[in-house]
Amino acid sequence: GAGVSQTPSNKVTEKGKYVELRCDPISGHTALYWYRQSLGQGPEFLIYFQGTGAADDSGLPNDRFFAVRPEGSVSTLKIQRTERGDSAVYLCASSLIQAGGSGGYQETQYFGPGTRLLVL
Amino acid sequence: SQQGEEDPQALSIQEGENATMNCSYKTSINNLQWYRQNSGRGLVHLILIRSNEREKHSGRLRVTLDTSKKSSSLLITASRAADTASYFCATVPFSGGYNKLIFGAGTRLAVHP
Repeated sequence: GAGVSQTPSNKVTEKGKYVELRCDPISGHTALYWYRQSLGQGPEFLIYFQGTGAADDSGLPNDRFFAVRPEGSVSTLKIQRTERGDSAVYLCASSLIQAGGSGGYQETQYFGPGTRLLVL
Repeated sequence: SQQGEEDPQALSIQEGENATMNCSYKTSINNLQWYRQNSGRGLVHLILIRSNEREKHSGRLRVTLDTSKKSSSLLITASRAADTASYFCATVPFSGGYNKLIFGAGTRLAVHP
């Protein structure tokens, strides 16, 4: 079946420009996550959506970053006034939330291929 | 900032050998997961171990978890050239309420034919 898709796969932009990165999750997955991965590092959490609402946006680095998921499916990560330090691979993941033992959640996140953003 | 730290940062072995990667973390967790990444792109989920589990197997993979030492290990037996990739451990904080993954910096594994 179809996995998580992300577009574009690569984006080159100039410093100061605005960019939008799109994530199309697996159909039926209610949870959607954005991560950012710099070269040689592990992914860092940016924001989590449960349905249409952002349940946790604590990982967004500053107010130039914003994400939406208006219909609870496709999500768009928006970056204003891009800076060279924003260059990274932006990863999206989706999952089905399943309650586990001890009040915790146990589920697998399925990642898309990522968008490689380069800010010149 | 990242919670997990993988050890070693890079590992180079011959086909057929076993590869062991370690992960340490700092806070109480709900579960710990291992992911694989080829060429810096999408991550593939390998295995999830819950905080009340000590060992788990999946094919050639064996994962252990020691919550008293806040550490985990991933063992790949009889490695193949196709296992060449970066491997990341990711923890789910105990108080998170959902699977917000906190990744380490990863171990880059090279398996030579």
